Amino acid sequence: SAVISQKPSRDICQRGTSLTIQCQVDSQVTMMFWYRQQPGQSLTLIATANQGSEATYESGFVIDKFPISRPNLTFSTLTVSNMSPEDSSIYLCSVGRSGNTIYFGEGSWLTVV
Amino acid sequence: GDSVTQMEGPVTLSEEAFLTINCTYTATGYPSLFWYVQYPGEGLQLLLKATKADDKGSNKGFEATYRKETTSFHLEKGSVQVSDSAVYFCALSDLTDSSYKLIFGSGTRLLVRP
Repeated sequence: SAVISQKPSRDICQRGTSLTIQCQVDSQVTMMFWYRQQPGQSLTLIATANQGSEATYESGFVIDKFPISRPNLTFSTLTVSNMSPEDSSIYLCSVGRSGNTIYFGEGSWLTVV
Repeated sequence: GDSVTQMEGPVTLSEEAFLTINCTYTATGYPSLFWYVQYPGEGLQLLLKATKADDKGSNKGFEATYRKETTSFHLEKGSVQVSDSAVYFCALSDLTDSSYKLIFGSGTRLLVRP
């Protein structure tokens, strides 16, 4: 099984500020995925982070709001920029492994006040 | 595009009752299917999966069978416990392109009463 560590696990942020979430995987993976789960809602894919290239964003998500870095094959960051209360969500990092298994981190629970 | 439809919740059952949570999907390819569970205040855990037609995934007493003819992957458990109270998400992934992106259903909240 994959071990995925996310930081921070929880945070309370002031509106207008930015927060960077880190995702560390215990072994190398080609693609890492970032999801958002708004309160009481399902999970929505924000973007796919590939090492050595720009992230690929899903419809409704833009790089200016959610810049992503992928400096190596075990690490990625997602920044939530200029936060508003609508950004209060759980942000989750995910990776896939051979054997068709997809793993999630514990999530970063953000509250914007 | 691909999509997943789950039955709306909440589903409220008494302990030891039989559980079914319906899940159907639409996909252009031949997806793998998953059930994830999210316990209160916790992250997402893989419950079970199936990668081809007629495969049955099972874990912790839960089962789901990949039915290609009905494009369904219904979750069942013969006797639920209070500890099964959680939100259950059905999801699909088209792994043929080596992508591990998931498309989730809306989630179904299960509440089991003693």
